[in-house]
Amino acid sequence: AQKITQTQPGMFVQEKEAVTLDCTYDTSDQSYGLFWYKQPSSGEMIFLIYQGSYDEQNATEGRYSLNFQKARKSANLVISASQLGDSAMYFCAMREGLAGNNRKLIWGLGTSLAVNP
Amino acid sequence: DTAVSQTPKYLVTQMGNDKSIKCEQNLGHDTMYWYKQDSKKFLKIMFSYNNKELIINETVPNRFSPKSPDKAHLNLHINSLELGDSAVYFCASSQYRGGETQYFGPGTRLLVL
Repeated sequence: AQKITQTQPGMFVQEKEAVTLDCTYDTSDQSYGLFWYKQPSSGEMIFLIYQGSYDEQNATEGRYSLNFQKARKSANLVISASQLGDSAMYFCAMREGLAGNNRKLIWGLGTSLAVNP
Repeated sequence: DTAVSQTPKYLVTQMGNDKSIKCEQNLGHDTMYWYKQDSKKFLKIMFSYNNKELIINETVPNRFSPKSPDKAHLNLHINSLELGDSAVYFCASSQYRGGETQYFGPGTRLLVL
């Protein structure tokens, strides 16, 4: 079973509007972390935002916020005031387990976001 | 200053050749990774090193051999290249072992003809 599910292969949003990219996860660990990365057409992978499972507040970084709903096991990325430069592929990833172990990130399949002018 | 750098950025080669990709990070991180991203954009971890020690070795053909001369460098050597090896290979690093925020290099686009 997939541990990270991104159900939207492609999304469109109008410039200056907000958009939510969905991510659900599956884990039985109490300690885990959730990450969002952006991959523009130029190809690099850019870290956007991180949410720890014990963090009580939703993470925010500039125009990015993470809508963390632990009971629903969802970690949606919200981009406010979309810009043309936000057009990219967005990946959700999860880190399971305790610090110090050989943990790895588990990746979703990505959502392609296109921002329309 | 580039945090995680990879060379070369592009690599076009014939089937059967041997090639290497180099990665360096100047973040002072202890852990480095190699990922493969296929044509469908799926990211798959291949290897991870922590302070020159191999800690993650996924199911990867043994034609792929990583080498970490020191904690700032992680190289990937590929023997007998096959068409299916065509992909983007990313190097990444994180401060500690096991999945703290990973910072990626720009990727190496490998095309095997």
